[in-house]
Amino acid sequence: RKEVEQDPGPFNVPEGATVAFNCTYSNSASQSFFWYRQDCRKEPKLLMSVYSSGNEDGRFTAQLNRASQYISLLIRDSKLSDSATYLCVVILISNFGNEKLTFGTGTRLTIIP
Amino acid sequence: NAGVTQTPKFQVLKTGQSMTLQCAQDMNHEYMSWYRQDPGMGLRLIHYSVGAGITDQGEVPNGYNVSRSTTEDFPLRLLSAAPSQTSVYFCASSYSLRRSNTEAFFGQGTRLTVV
Repeated sequence: RKEVEQDPGPFNVPEGATVAFNCTYSNSASQSFFWYRQDCRKEPKLLMSVYSSGNEDGRFTAQLNRASQYISLLIRDSKLSDSATYLCVVILISNFGNEKLTFGTGTRLTIIP
Repeated sequence: NAGVTQTPKFQVLKTGQSMTLQCAQDMNHEYMSWYRQDPGMGLRLIHYSVGAGITDQGEVPNGYNVSRSTTEDFPLRLLSAAPSQTSVYFCASSYSLRRSNTEAFFGQGTRLTVV
């Protein structure tokens, strides 16, 4: 089982719609969670951190459910420019006690005009 | 600000050749890592380092070596290239992951083809 799992999609949604992604992680000791965005043939970039109480940044809302070990990303009023791959990222602890940044497989989103 | 500099951007190798992918950062970041990205597989961690002199294996370390002799540099060595190593490689760096909500910065990627 992968340490961080996401639905790969693709999600094709009309402009203006609301779309939600989920991500599950295997290590209950994980402390930090993020969503990154990757445009086609580009490097990933931080979209937002995910806080325990949930957080919002404009049209984007991130939630964390520690009990069920999943995080979510909600995009409201989607724009054409939101088309990208969204990567769930978790800081996991290795067998040697070192932290490592671990990515999910990514969810591809296409906004349709 | 150079950020994370990754070279080369493109490379074609023959099976059995060796090469080194370079990664340098000028942000005094403790954490550096290498990923490979294949279609439908997301970013898979190859090796990472939490500081100079310390390296650890990730999910797919076989066929790759790393060293971290300085804070700034984290080269990735392919010892004997195989077609299965055809991929896009990304280097990333950040402050220590023990800090809250630390952001990782990525290089522009290296597109490697092994024929």
